[in-house]
Amino acid sequence: AQSVTQLGSHVSVSEGALVLLRCNYSSSVPPYLFWYVQYPNQGLQLLLKYTSAATLVKGINGFEAEFKKSETSFHLTKPSAHMSDAAEYFCAVSVPFNDYKLSFGAGTTVTVRA
Amino acid sequence: KAGVTQTPRYLIKTRGQQVTLSCSPISGHRSVSWYQQTPGQGLQFLFEYFSETQRNKGNFPGRFSGRQFSNSRSEMNVSTLELGDSALYLCASSPQGEPQYFGPGTRLLVL
Repeated sequence: AQSVTQLGSHVSVSEGALVLLRCNYSSSVPPYLFWYVQYPNQGLQLLLKYTSAATLVKGINGFEAEFKKSETSFHLTKPSAHMSDAAEYFCAVSVPFNDYKLSFGAGTTVTVRA
Repeated sequence: KAGVTQTPRYLIKTRGQQVTLSCSPISGHRSVSWYQQTPGQGLQFLFEYFSETQRNKGNFPGRFSGRQFSNSRSEMNVSTLELGDSALYLCASSPQGEPQYFGPGTRLLVL
């Protein structure tokens, strides 16, 4: 079974600083990987996804993530944090064309300090 | 293109009642998935439908059921509600498989 672990339930960054959210996955087959953002009282918005093409994936709102098979990681980064980035972020994994479900990490809440 | 819509957005029920939630996927998407989100358990997969067929089901009791109609709209039903069913229920759609686009959710409170 596939799973993800998000390191750090809370991350606090200064406005303009680098945002780094860590995600490690476990999967017996090459996975698809996703990052979602959730703002208060809203659903999940897809930031980016890895589907076995380029290992460096660029997403919306200036976010990107790099798939590293050797480290089983899919960390999310943004060079310069903005106040609007304050939200909860979820990493998720799926087995392509198999069980059609996402397994989510526990989430990381990002706080941005002015 | 309209996104995934869910109705109702908020719902209050009492223990023992049943509830039906509705989800309309993005036009042209044939796969609809449902997830439960709670503070304690996080995001958990309920089930996935494609062309009116359930392809996968999560580890939830039989009180949780769903269906998909020929127009790809989906409903989920929870019978004999328990306090622990209070959660945000999220629906997601995709053209064929792994969910990608989520709706705003239905927040269910069971009293």
